[in-house]
Amino acid sequence: AQSVTQLDSQVPVFEEAPVELRCNYSSSVSVYLFWYVQYPNQGLQLLLKYLSGSTLVKGINGFEAEFNKSQTSFHLRKPSVHISDTAEYFCAVTGYSSASKIIFGSGTRLSIRP
Amino acid sequence: DVKVTQSSRYLVKRTGEKVFLECVQDMDHENMFWYRQDPGLGLRLIYFSYDVKMKEKGDIPEGYSVSREKKERFSLILESASTNQTSMYLCASSFGTGVREETQYFGPGTRLLVL
Repeated sequence: AQSVTQLDSQVPVFEEAPVELRCNYSSSVSVYLFWYVQYPNQGLQLLLKYLSGSTLVKGINGFEAEFNKSQTSFHLRKPSVHISDTAEYFCAVTGYSSASKIIFGSGTRLSIRP
Repeated sequence: DVKVTQSSRYLVKRTGEKVFLECVQDMDHENMFWYRQDPGLGLRLIYFSYDVKMKEKGDIPEGYSVSREKKERFSLILESASTNQTSMYLCASSFGTGVREETQYFGPGTRLLVL
């Protein structure tokens, strides 16, 4: 079985500052990893996902994440945030095995201060 | 663009009522999912379906049932609503070649209040 931990429930940052949202996972099998974003009053949409290959994954809106197998992490980063990045961000994991279901983290609320 | 629609954005129901939440997707996706979203708990899978008339339990199926009579429509049913089912309900769909690695497309959610 898999599990995922988002270490910060809220992250406040100033506009144009860099941000890192942390995600750690545990699994006994190889994994697929995802970051989804939920803007206010909307459903979730995919930011990026890691399936295989390069450990640095680039997504939409200038976000990127790095898969670190030794540290079982998949942290999300953006070098300069904008007010429009205000949203809740969810990390998710699923395993390679056919019995795996996708497991979502508890979410990190990113608030941008002008 | 994939579009997933949910029948209501907000619903208020009374304890003991039977509640139907409807979800429709327009991209001929094989897989459909129902989640509930609660603060601090993230999304938890209630049920999913990988084909018409097929369903599988997720992590928290108790108190819920589902129906998938047509490919594009997936209904979540609360047989007898209780106050602890007050939550945001999210529907999602995915293409179907491989459930685990596929992107899920979400509807806007239904916020249900059970009094």
